[in-house]
Parts: sequence; structure tokens; C-alpha cells
Amino acid sequence: AQSVTQLDSQVPVFEEAPVELRCNYSSSVSVYLFWYVQYPNQGLQLLLKYLSGSTLVKGINGFEAEFNKSQTSFHLRKPSVHISDTAEYFCAVSAGLMDSSYKLIFGSGTRLLVRP
Amino acid sequence: NAGVMQNPRHLVRRRGQEARLRCSPMKGHSHVYWYRQLPEEGLKFMVYLQKENIIDESGMPKERFSAEFPKEGPSILRIQQVVRGDSAAYFCASSPPDRGPPGGYTFGSGTRLTVV
Repeated sequence: AQSVTQLDSQVPVFEEAPVELRCNYSSSVSVYLFWYVQYPNQGLQLLLKYLSGSTLVKGINGFEAEFNKSQTSFHLRKPSVHISDTAEYFCAVSAGLMDSSYKLIFGSGTRLLVRP
Repeated sequence: NAGVMQNPRHLVRRRGQEARLRCSPMKGHSHVYWYRQLPEEGLKFMVYLQKENIIDESGMPKERFSAEFPKEGPSILRIQQVVRGDSAAYFCASSPPDRGPPGGYTFGSGTRLTVV
């Protein structure tokens, strides 16, 4: 069975500092990987996704993530954060190449708190 | 082009009442997915529907929960005889007919159900 682990429940960081949000997954099959952002009382917005190809994926709002198959990781990074990046970030995986690829398995989320 | 529309945004029900959550997919989208987010947790898959068909309901609780996506009108998630443990945010997503890999998902803003 697939699972997603986001080890950090909360990451405080000062404005303009770099940040990395960690995500590890377990799966015995090829996967698709995603990062979503959720602002307070809003729905989920897709930041970026890895389906195939280059392991470095660039997304919206200056975020990027690197797929590391050997370490089964998909960490999210941003070189310089803004106050407006304060939100909940969710890593998700689906079983790529399988009929159930529509089903996303989400991690428990990491709350990014950007301080001035 | 309106996104995925969910209503109501907030719903308060007393224990034992029925809750009806509505989801109108994006124009041209014929696949609907429901996810539930319990407090302090990530989203969990509930059900996948196409018009007039339930494709996968493996994440639905066995009792009191049902979902439909009629030929005309929105998709409905119905919870009968609600209990306090049903309090959560319920998100709907939609995707086009060719489905593709997920990330072709568009999420709505959710319905936050509070059972008192």
C-alpha cells in the first residue's frame, strides 16, 4: 500500500530565508507525485507535479521539488520565502500507470509559518 | 470559466440530522471525486463518480454516507444521521473525460461541516 510521510508538522522560518519541506513516500510501483498548497479556509491549489522526465520540477510561486527515486523523497524548496507563503502544504502520491492512478494519497501536511 | 463550485461553504447540523453537500464540476468535466479532511489531517479519498455511475467508493464509510452524480445537476454527497465525528472539510475535485493522470484535478473550496 502507498503512504506519504511529512515529518514536519510545522516549519517556522523568517521572511527571505530558504525553506525545505520534506516528503517521503512508500510505494512498490511507479508513482506520480504532487505538492498542493492550502491557504486558510480555502481549497487546494496545485503547486507542482512530477509525472515523468526531469527529476527537478518547477512550480508556481517560485517553488521547486526534486524527485529522488532511491530515497523515495520529493522535497519542496523555495530559495526565499515571503509572508504570503504562510499556508499548509500537502504532499500527495498516486499510483501512476495503474487504473487507480486517479486516487491521491495525501500526507498529513506541513504548516509553513513565515515570520517578518 | 468558473472553477469547481461547492456549496454551502459552511454547514452546521445537529446530531441525527442529514447533511447534503453539493459539487458542480468545471464546465466540460464529467469526473468527480470527493475527499474528506479531518481536523489536523490530510485529505482522504472517499469516492469517484462519473455521470450516473459510481466508479470507486472504497473510501466511503459503510453506513450513513452516499454519493451520486446524476445526468443533470451537481454531484451530491449525503450524510444521514450525522454524528460529531463527521465534522470535517469535504472537498470535491473534477477532471475532464479523458481523465489523464491526476493533477488534471481541480479542487473546489470545500464545505466545512460542523455537527453540534
